[in-house]
Amino acid sequence: NAGVTQTPKFRVLKTGQSMTLLCAQDMNHEYMYWYRQDPGMGLRLIHYSVGEGTTAKGEVPDGYNVSRLKKQNFLLGLESAAPSQTSVYFCASSFNRGNTGELFFGEGSRLTVL
Amino acid sequence: TQLLEQSPQFLSIQEGENLTVYCNSSSVFSSLQWYRQEPGEGPVLLVTVVTGGEVKKLKRLTFQFGDARKDSSLHITAAQPGDTGLYLCAGAGSGGGADGLTFGKGTHLIIQP
Repeated sequence: NAGVTQTPKFRVLKTGQSMTLLCAQDMNHEYMYWYRQDPGMGLRLIHYSVGEGTTAKGEVPDGYNVSRLKKQNFLLGLESAAPSQTSVYFCASSFNRGNTGELFFGEGSRLTVL
Repeated sequence: TQLLEQSPQFLSIQEGENLTVYCNSSSVFSSLQWYRQEPGEGPVLLVTVVTGGEVKKLKRLTFQFGDARKDSSLHITAAQPGDTGLYLCAGAGSGGGADGLTFGKGTHLIIQP
C-alpha cells in the first residue's frame, strides 16, 4: 500500500523561485491537507480540501496556493519562495473530516529557500 | 483559537523507566488524537479518545482523556528504545469543520538503552 506519497522529498530553492509539491493518495479519501512543521511551532495547517475541485485556507495560507483537480491529488504551490518558507511540508488525507477521522500523513518534503 | 500545550517539551530517560506526557488546553475538545512521529517520517495515529474520562490502552501505552475534555495524558510503562520519537496530541474542536484539528507542539522522547 502506497498510502500518501509526496514528491519531491527534498528541494533547495533560491528566493523568488517557484515550485510545486505534489501529494497523491490511493485510499479514495475525500479530505486532504497541507501542513508545515517548524521547530518549536508544531504542525500548522496551510490549506485543505474537502473534495475534488474544492480548496480552503488554513491557519497559515499566505504565500501558498493549492489545487485539487483530481480526487487523489493535492498540489501545493509556492509562486515566489521566501526564506521564511523553509520548512518540512506534510500532506495528509482522511476519510472523515479531521474531527474524528484518522489523518494519514506522507513522509514529508523538506524545502530550503536560500 | 484553541491551543494545546504539551509538556514536557523534551524528555530523555533510561530504558525500563515509566513516564507521562501531558496535553493541556483551556478549551473543550470533542475528541483528541495522539500521534507518534519518527525522524524523516510523517506522524502516525496511535489512538483517538472521544469520551470525557476515557482510558485506552495500547500495549505499554495508556491514554486518558480528562473528564472535562480539556486535557489528556499519555503514560508509558517500562519504556523501550523503540518508543523514541516525537509525540503529538491533536484536538478536534466542537465546530465540526474539516480543519478542526489543532496540534500541540509535541514532546520529544528519547529512551536510552
